[in-house]
Amino acid sequence: EAQVTQNPRYLITVTGKKLTVTCSQNMNHEYMSWYRQDPGLGLRQIYYSMNVEVTDKGDVPEGYKVSRKEKRNFPLILESPSPNQTSLYFCASSGQSSSYEQYFGPGTRLTVT
Amino acid sequence: GQNIDQPTEMTATEGAIVQINCTYQTSGFNGLFWYQQHAGEAPTFLSYNVLDGLEEKGRFSSFLSRSKGYSYLLLKELQMKDSASYLCAVRDIDSGYALNFGKGTSLLVTP
Repeated sequence: EAQVTQNPRYLITVTGKKLTVTCSQNMNHEYMSWYRQDPGLGLRQIYYSMNVEVTDKGDVPEGYKVSRKEKRNFPLILESPSPNQTSLYFCASSGQSSSYEQYFGPGTRLTVT
Repeated sequence: GQNIDQPTEMTATEGAIVQINCTYQTSGFNGLFWYQQHAGEAPTFLSYNVLDGLEEKGRFSSFLSRSKGYSYLLLKELQMKDSASYLCAVRDIDSGYALNFGKGTSLLVTP
């Protein structure tokens, strides 16, 4: 089944404790992206990757890191989480054509206390 | 950058038709997408427009006017399960394959 998976689905952590949210897709997509979704603010892009070893900042990259060592994986790293990073996070992927829609993972609900 | 506007909330009756509007400003338009998102779930793709006109897909249709920077999503024969948030997203040539999302329209379908 074609899908984007994320882990963990839910996470409660404390300020400053490094964490990684994994994202994997099995559709051989070149393009992958991370979003955060907050009430009243909609989906905002954090980082994206056009292909392996190619990453770039989105609209809200501060406090986040990503890597793209393999085509299928695109982990999101929070080196020192803070409470303002409490949010719902989505990973997405798509093929490289402007008509291709993005497929979203199920989401990771993160709470930083 | 882009400016994407949609109404925040709408209410409609089961069996009726509802139109959700989206206006956008972009320097290099390269496609408009509509997604549906139920609370706490991932967005799912509904439709794509890149040329002017109407695209129909069952109960859902989407319209685009590039000269007006305007799109709408039309939902016919509303069902209770259509209660969800509807997201308008625009792709810009300058931003590659990135999608810029509006804040979404929360649709409530009532009996």
